[in-house]
Amino acid sequence: QSVLTQPPSASGTPGQRVTISCSGDSSNIGSSSVSWYQQFPGTAPRRLIYSNNQRPSGVPDRFSGSKSGTSASLAISGLQSEDEADYYCASWDNRLNGHVVFGGGTKLTVL
Amino acid sequence: DVQLVQSGGGLVQPGGSLRLSCAASGFNVGTNYMSWVRQAPGKGLEWVSFIYSDGRTNYADSVKGRFTISRDISKNTLFLQLDTLTAEDTAVYYCVGQNSWDLASLHSWGQGTLVTVSS
Repeated sequence: QSVLTQPPSASGTPGQRVTISCSGDSSNIGSSSVSWYQQFPGTAPRRLIYSNNQRPSGVPDRFSGSKSGTSASLAISGLQSEDEADYYCASWDNRLNGHVVFGGGTKLTVL
Repeated sequence: DVQLVQSGGGLVQPGGSLRLSCAASGFNVGTNYMSWVRQAPGKGLEWVSFIYSDGRTNYADSVKGRFTISRDISKNTLFLQLDTLTAEDTAVYYCVGQNSWDLASLHSWGQGTLVTVSS
């Protein structure tokens, strides 16, 4: 069972806006930044969002992140077929000498 | 550009050992924070271990006492020694580079290496 909670699946049609939630507690999201990762089958994850809402260079501005309290969200606007992938949230947890915690992942399907 | 190139891995019997390597370029292993993250078949991401720039280390409870993270600064390479392996350790293992100011920001990933523990 993952420390951070994500819905196992999400879906949308091309052009739609989709959001994926990530819930934690005061030891992780409530006191640390959140990052988001995109993973296609058979490949390594790729960082999409860091520090709650920052996009690395090369990530389209269709992807945006937000955080409030002990929860965070990833929003994808103008959904495209190539966005179909698994998405993971992550945060730093200050228990047990500190470590990275992940959500269980959300499988995004573009209908 | 940061590149992390992994090697090692493969099939090992329960109770056996393996050493994973992660050679970095465009990135200094000795002055940055790095971690190992694994992903069991069909499952999500799981943090395994990290090493601070000052050499301090930490491990997930599931691997503590069995896995050892280390680095060779002269070779700019990160290692993960896996001992007393069990079937539950079967996974793709990734080395990752982290931002020191946002430790959940895993900015660079190796290509991954599969470890299969089976008799």
